[in-house]
Amino acid sequence: GAGVSQSPSNKVTEKGKDVELRCDPISGHTALYWYRQSLGQGLEFLIYFQGNSAPDKSGLPSDRFSAERTGGSVSTLTIQRTQQEDSAVYLCASSFFYGKYFTDTQYFGPGTRLTVL
Amino acid sequence: KNEVEQSPQNLTAQEGEFITINCSYSVGISALHWLQQHPGGGIVSLFMLSSGKKKHGRLIATINIQEKHSSLHIPASHPRDSAVYICAVGIEGGSEKLVFGKGTKLTVNP
Repeated sequence: GAGVSQSPSNKVTEKGKDVELRCDPISGHTALYWYRQSLGQGLEFLIYFQGNSAPDKSGLPSDRFSAERTGGSVSTLTIQRTQQEDSAVYLCASSFFYGKYFTDTQYFGPGTRLTVL
Repeated sequence: KNEVEQSPQNLTAQEGEFITINCSYSVGISALHWLQQHPGGGIVSLFMLSSGKKKHGRLIATINIQEKHSSLHIPASHPRDSAVYICAVGIEGGSEKLVFGKGTKLTVNP
């Protein structure tokens, strides 16, 4: 079946503009994660959605970052007033959720490469 | 100190060599993941384990919960194994988010 898809694959924007990144998880996966991979840096967690529970936003670096998940499926990560340090690959992953505190295999999307000029 | 430490950071091997990549962590975990990232490519989950040993093709992953340590073994390495291997842990009692090591860049020469 289809894997996790993300769009766009590449996004170039000017400093100060807003951007929206989209993630389509695997059908039936109720857990959805956003991560960021900056050049030369490791992966870092941004936000986690599980079903109708309140999202874990503990990884969002500033209030310019927000995310929503509509209808328990598609998610959009929004970065307002982009800065050059926001340049990175933004990765989405999804997984089954069997119960609290049980981590299942996460399936990653191809990522969106964001460049802020 | 990072919660997840990997070693080595970079590894160059000749085809056929036995490769071991190590991962140590300092927090309680629900599970440990090994991920593979090819140059310019996406991330693939290789293993998720919380105890013992798992095998996936040629690759073997082990974990010692008491010592908070995991190893990824690649027997009979091949140039197609060249990639960045990333160790990640799900924090015990956390929201299932992953905390990542910085990765090990493996290059296998023919």
